[in-house]
Amino acid sequence: QVQLQESGPGLVEPSETLSLTCTVSGGSISSHHWRWIRQPPGKGLEWIGSTYHSGSTNYNSALKSRVTISVDRSKNQFSLKLRSMTAADTAIYYCAGARNTASHDGWFFDLWGRGTLVTVSS
Amino acid sequence: DIQMTQSPSSLSASVGDRVTITCRASQSISNYLNWYHQKPGKAPNLLIYAASSLQSGVPSRFSGSGSGTDFTLTISGLQPEDFGTYYCQQSYTTPVTFGQGTKLEIK
Repeated sequence: QVQLQESGPGLVEPSETLSLTCTVSGGSISSHHWRWIRQPPGKGLEWIGSTYHSGSTNYNSALKSRVTISVDRSKNQFSLKLRSMTAADTAIYYCAGARNTASHDGWFFDLWGRGTLVTVSS
Repeated sequence: DIQMTQSPSSLSASVGDRVTITCRASQSISNYLNWYHQKPGKAPNLLIYAASSLQSGVPSRFSGSGSGTDFTLTISGLQPEDFGTYYCQQSYTTPVTFGQGTKLEIK
């Protein structure tokens, strides 16, 4: 059974860069396409960006200038970097696995990490 | 971006009740609509994909319907473990977007 686990700092100073890693265990990193999603405390879900088997990526336009998502297949990991952090970036960050089906090409997220709370503060 | 609007924002219901949550998209999204359930302190859990397909392992009391702009999640026979927040999500186009959530309380 494939599981995801986020790792990274819980506290980031303003203007610094957040680096998070998601480790895929119990299966292959090729089993899904990968996403980062965040949730400010007490609020809703926001898609940050996606990476695909092809190596392509796309990002939320609101964050695009600050975000990089990458994959390290040799380590069964994928990563998020978010630059120039501000208090507005304080959130629970989730890594998630996305897939679709032969009969429906819409992406759905059927794998989630437990989430990691990142607080931006000096 | 496609806006997803859920109603109601919150509701309270009793065990055994039939509960309906609605999600409306700001433009037609065909059946590119998924539903998730999130308990406090936990990650969301996929319930329904492609508007009406039940995710493996999800109890059959959950069902989804709709197409175009209007969608419904129904819980037939509410159970105590169904409390939490429910989110719809469109996958018709990038960026994928979520509804604001519907918080379900068990009376």
